[in-house]
Amino acid sequence: DQQVKQNSPSLSVQEGRISILNCDYTNSMFDYFLWYKKYPAEGPTFLISISSIKDKNEDGRFTVFLNKSAKHLSLHIVPSQPGDSAVYFCAAGGGQNFVFGPGTRLSVLP
Amino acid sequence: GAVVSQHPSWVICKSGTSVKIECRSLDFQATTMFWYRQFPKQSLMLMATSNEGSKATYEQGVEKDKFLINHASLTLSTLTVTSAHPEDSSFYICSAGPPAVTQETQYFGPGTRLLVL
Repeated sequence: DQQVKQNSPSLSVQEGRISILNCDYTNSMFDYFLWYKKYPAEGPTFLISISSIKDKNEDGRFTVFLNKSAKHLSLHIVPSQPGDSAVYFCAAGGGQNFVFGPGTRLSVLP
Repeated sequence: GAVVSQHPSWVICKSGTSVKIECRSLDFQATTMFWYRQFPKQSLMLMATSNEGSKATYEQGVEKDKFLINHASLTLSTLTVTSAHPEDSSFYICSAGPPAVTQETQYFGPGTRLLVL
């Protein structure tokens, strides 16, 4: 049973619009969450994180929202750019161990 | 969904010994698997790409003689940390994807926590 789910395997968005990537988790003990971005033939790179004491964290065009009661987090990218086209993974955990979701492929169309 | 397992999940060893970590794809064949090292609350560092039936491709700065990778079958890749030292203590994660979407969709293993005393 997957503890971290990303139910949309792919998402297409027009350049300049908002991209919203969703992630759900099952373990209420998770208290730290990360988003990674991955280009083909490269390893994932860290994008943004949020701890359970917050419900929002913003970094430039990227904002992560956390809804603890729903065990749901989302990554918003505004405005979306073609260079944002990649696979996005969310990860959830506590301490030093993390569980990864399967990823969502984002395509930003020019 | 696709499942990738790792064994062991936890290992403690003495300095100078070697440790083998297994990564298995349970319901699909993976011609390529990836090995990562994760530092606390930080990015995953890609260590190497494991190719079934051929030599692994190592990232710059990763010692291939220290981190031996063997991908003997389409469902199993192993990472052996040779002559482990305390600085090798870390969280090691593998990932694999079904061949049709290699390097796009990746399923991550649960990770192996290595502690070298």
